[in-house]
Amino acid sequence: DVKVTQSSRYLVKRTGEKVFLECVQDMDHENMFWYRQDPGLGLRLIYFSYDVKMKEKGDIPEGYSVSREKKERFSLILESASTNQTSMYLCASSLFPKWDKGPFYGYTFGSGTRLTVV
Amino acid sequence: TQLLEQSPQFLSIQEGENLTVYCNSSSVFSSLQWYRQEPGEGPVLLVTVVTGGEVKKLKRLTFQFGDARKDSSLHITAAQPGDTGLYLCAGGVGLSGQNFVFGPGTRLSVLP
Repeated sequence: DVKVTQSSRYLVKRTGEKVFLECVQDMDHENMFWYRQDPGLGLRLIYFSYDVKMKEKGDIPEGYSVSREKKERFSLILESASTNQTSMYLCASSLFPKWDKGPFYGYTFGSGTRLTVV
Repeated sequence: TQLLEQSPQFLSIQEGENLTVYCNSSSVFSSLQWYRQEPGEGPVLLVTVVTGGEVKKLKRLTFQFGDARKDSSLHITAAQPGDTGLYLCAGGVGLSGQNFVFGPGTRLSVLP
């Protein structure tokens, strides 16, 4: 069964700590994404990557950075955690349609990491 | 900025009832997707619609894309407790997924 695996289901960190959220996919997907999910706000894109060592800012990149050293792994880094970063973090991957044709195939999501910053 | 609205925000029904939830935008999308998210899990893709007026069926679930590709609906026939979850629509343009936006979701509870 193909999957996206997030390293932690629950994390509690202190304000100011550097936090690493890890995500691994086994589907050989080109694209990987980090979203945060907050009640009433839906999913908001933080960063995405379309290739190794490539990254693009999403809608809410402030306070975050990412790393993609290998195709299967995409890490989200909170440089100095703050309480407003308490949230559910979702990693996802997707294929890039071949020959620039066809619709977006859709995301495969991990189970999420619920981060609490105290 | 593209925005998606979903209604209703919450829905609680009895097993066996029918329901429809809606996803609306002022923007035109090249494709629209529906996901279901169960508590403690990530969203799971249910369907992708790409053609205006398109109707897709997945067992008891019927998805429709509006003619103008600005809105979509999800109809569930004879709802079951296993249908409980957060239903998210996501619409976008382009091929790689970075231009997709998600609606806030409809939280459905089906009571036995």
